[in-house]
Amino acid sequence: DAGVIQSPRHEVTEMGQEVTLRCKPISGHNSLFWYRQTMMRGLELLIYFNNNVPIDDSGMPEDRFSAKMPNASFSTLKIQPSEPRDSAVYFCASSLGLLTSYEQYFGPGTRLTVT
Amino acid sequence: AQTVTQSQPEMSVQEAETVTLSCTYDTSESDYYLFWYKQPPSRQMILVIRQEAYKQQNATENRFSVNFQKAAKSFSLKISDSQLGDAAMYFCAYRSRREETSGSRLTFGEGTQLTVNP
Repeated sequence: DAGVIQSPRHEVTEMGQEVTLRCKPISGHNSLFWYRQTMMRGLELLIYFNNNVPIDDSGMPEDRFSAKMPNASFSTLKIQPSEPRDSAVYFCASSLGLLTSYEQYFGPGTRLTVT
Repeated sequence: AQTVTQSQPEMSVQEAETVTLSCTYDTSESDYYLFWYKQPPSRQMILVIRQEAYKQQNATENRFSVNFQKAAKSFSLKISDSQLGDAAMYFCAYRSRREETSGSRLTFGEGTQLTVNP
C-alpha cells in the first residue's frame, strides 16, 4: 500500500493568498484526520471526518480554514486568506474507523511557509 | 481536558545503550489508550507502541517497552540496544475511549528529541 499521500510536500506563499493542501487516505480507511504542527503549539487536531462527513471541527482555528472530503479517496484543507502565523507542518492521517483501537497512519506532511 | 507532559526536551544515548523517555498525563477518565510516536527527520509520524489503560501488563515491541503506572499517570518509553536509526523526536499521546464510536482526538505531548551517539 502507498500509505497516506499528501501534496504538496512544501508550499511557500505570500500573505493573503489562498492555499490548498491535499490528502489521499489509505484505500479502505473510513476516517481521516487533519493535524497541524508548530513549535509553539505542538501537534494539534484540526478536524476529522468519518465516511466523508465532518465529525469534529472544533480544532479549526478560525473561519479562514476550511476542509472538505468530497469522496473516500480525497480531502482538502484550504486556508483563505493565508497569514504568516499559519506557517506550520500540516499532517493528514487516516484510520479504518473511529474506534480508539484503530491506528492512525500519518502522511509525510506539508510544510507551509507564509511570507 | 486531558494534558500530556514530556519534561525532557532533549535526551542522548550511546549506541547499544538503553534510554528511558518520560511522559506524564492528566485525566479524570479510567479507560483510554496511550501511545508513543516517533518522528524522524523525514517528518513521518510512526507509531512505536501503544498501551491500553485497562491492561496491567506493560506493552513491548521488540527493543521498545513501556512502564505504565496508572495511579501515578506515568507512561515512560524504554529503548534498549539503541541504534542510530532510533534518533528522532518522540511524542507521547493520549486518546480517550469515552467516545468509542464517535471518535476522540489524540492529545500529544511536547516531544523529546533523542540523539544517538555512535
